Amino acid sequence: DVKVTQSSRYLVKRTGEKVFLECVQDMDHENMFWYRQDPGLGLRLIYFSYDVKMKEKGDIPEGYSVSREKKERFSLILESASTNQTSMYLCASSLLGLAAADTQYFGPGTRLTVL
Amino acid sequence: AQTVTQSQPEMSVQEAETVTLSCTYDTSESNYYLFWYKQPPSRQMILVIRQEAYKQQNATENRFSVNFQKAAKSFSLKISDSQLGDTAMYFCAFSRNDYKLSFGAGTTVTVRA
Repeated sequence: DVKVTQSSRYLVKRTGEKVFLECVQDMDHENMFWYRQDPGLGLRLIYFSYDVKMKEKGDIPEGYSVSREKKERFSLILESASTNQTSMYLCASSLLGLAAADTQYFGPGTRLTVL
Repeated sequence: AQTVTQSQPEMSVQEAETVTLSCTYDTSESNYYLFWYKQPPSRQMILVIRQEAYKQQNATENRFSVNFQKAAKSFSLKISDSQLGDTAMYFCAFSRNDYKLSFGAGTTVTVRA
């Protein structure tokens, strides 16, 4: 079974703090994703990575950056957290490359609250 | 951007009965993929079922089946013989045959004992 893990289930941070969300997958998947999930909006893609050190912006990248130094690990960084970044953050991975609608495997999510 | 619409925010069903979740999408593509994902309370989201647009036959997975109407751009999910473990939020998603998924807003399904 594919396992996608996220470093924290719940996180509370202060406005202006730098926040790191970590995601690890154990199945040698090429692709990794960061989404945020908000009520009534579904899941929206923040960033996508298709290889080590390779990344592409998703639909809502503003205020976020990412890092993928190793294939199994994908980090989401909030450079200066703001209250409007309070949300559930989901990491996902998929096996195939750019041009394939492959099944995505999700982590348990991190519920981030910014005060 | 592709638009995926789930018009039912919440649904409730008695155990052992059938419930149908609606999903419509907007695209000009001829080949694409559609998905239903399930997110149980406090648990990880998992794939329920997947449909390729060029396949006319509706996908089924045990008690889960879809009604794919390509001309109407409709992709509904039927859950038969509902079980308490089916209680979850269900997301419809669309892909143009690349890595990107566009999700609907989700439908919360509650199965009553």
